[in-house]
Amino acid sequence: GAGVSQSPRYKVAKRGQDVALRCDPISGHVSLFWYQQALGQGPEFLTYFQNEAQLDKSGLPSDRFFAERPEGSVSTLKIQRTQQEDSAVYLCASSLARGAPTYEQYFGPGTRLTVT
Amino acid sequence: GQNIDQPTEMTATEGAIVQINCTYQTSGFNGLFWYQQHAGEAPTFLSYNVLDGLEEKGRFSSFLSRSKGYSYLLLKELQMKDSASYLCAVRDSNYQLIWGAGTKLIIKP
Repeated sequence: GAGVSQSPRYKVAKRGQDVALRCDPISGHVSLFWYQQALGQGPEFLTYFQNEAQLDKSGLPSDRFFAERPEGSVSTLKIQRTQQEDSAVYLCASSLARGAPTYEQYFGPGTRLTVT
Repeated sequence: GQNIDQPTEMTATEGAIVQINCTYQTSGFNGLFWYQQHAGEAPTFLSYNVLDGLEEKGRFSSFLSRSKGYSYLLLKELQMKDSASYLCAVRDSNYQLIWGAGTKLIIKP
């Protein structure tokens, strides 16, 4: 596709429910990132994949958060037993290679998660 | 700890020039990025600096001083569509992007 796509765009979950957020990166992009963005704040790093390998998950806030990219393309971010503090926009970004000179990341439109 | 500071909000007039500053303290440095984010939309790439000096790209320019841990984004001939948040991000020694909270720029006619 032309850009990074994410689904759903909006998700309302009741506290305690599990949610799964999907990201389709740009074809051929090796690197994939997940960020959490609260209102009025910059993105906060969650996790990073190079192809199918999850190389950095230091930003995941708790063990309720889990991400995978089994075939090195589509990625899913799963949040178990959602809490109100999980309400945020979840952004996915992809890039050609992490160490590329400009390392420009292309962002998807995000999924706005609201936990009630 | 790692820290990126930028003003929370700025106001400027259509047709004028505005400079948005960013100071940083990070574990290592492998480049500084500026992104634009319109409300409810994804961030889009504006510029990248890794060496000291000014990078110019149309109406937008970005400056870097590594010794001072300082950058600015200069926007000329402001247009109403430039109303957005401008995010400064630094790539640290682990090649992870550390983001500022963003500067909300309001353009008035």
